[in-house]
Amino acid sequence: AQRVTQPEKLLSVFKGAPVELKCNYSYSGSPELFWYVQYSRQRLQLLLRHISRESIKGFTADLNKGETSFHLKKPFAQEEDSAMYYCALRWGEGLTFGEGTQLTVNP
Amino acid sequence: NAGVTQTPKFQVLKTGQSMTLQCAQDMNHEYMSWYRQDPGMGLRLIHYSVGAGITDQGEVPNGYNVSRSTTEDFPLRLLSAAPSQTSVYFCASSSTGIDTGELFFGEGSRLTVL
Repeated sequence: AQRVTQPEKLLSVFKGAPVELKCNYSYSGSPELFWYVQYSRQRLQLLLRHISRESIKGFTADLNKGETSFHLKKPFAQEEDSAMYYCALRWGEGLTFGEGTQLTVNP
Repeated sequence: NAGVTQTPKFQVLKTGQSMTLQCAQDMNHEYMSWYRQDPGMGLRLIHYSVGAGITDQGEVPNGYNVSRSTTEDFPLRLLSAAPSQTSVYFCASSSTGIDTGELFFGEGSRLTVL
């Protein structure tokens, strides 16, 4: 069965520091992975998808099939990045989400 | 546009009671889905629909029914509530199905079963 694991429930960094949110997956098929974000008092929304190889709000994520990982990175964190981040894996006609990582960026 | 609207936002049920969580979207999305989120866990897919008249099961469908009579609405029915169904429920829709992975979520409905 498919599975997504985010090993850090909480992550705290200072403004301007690099940040990396870890995501590992297990899936027998060809993986399609996504990062979702939920800012305070807002709805869950798509941040980026691996297939687009895009940078959104300074965040990037690279799919590493050898390590079955899809870590989210940003070189210089901003206070407005504070939010809950979820890694998600497509399977069939749905997504499987990880447990989420609460990122706090301190001033 | 209201986007995806879920009602009610909060509900308390007794074991064995039935209820329906409502989900409506005004974006003319063909794909709609229901997820549940238990404490400390990720969202898990309950049921989904790729269009009116078509529904299918997700990862955790037991104890839930769905129907899709219109494009706009996708209600989730709990037939006989159990404490294990205490959770936060999210409805999500998409114009492109799951292909792009972009789901538009509702605000969630918090259900407690006593």
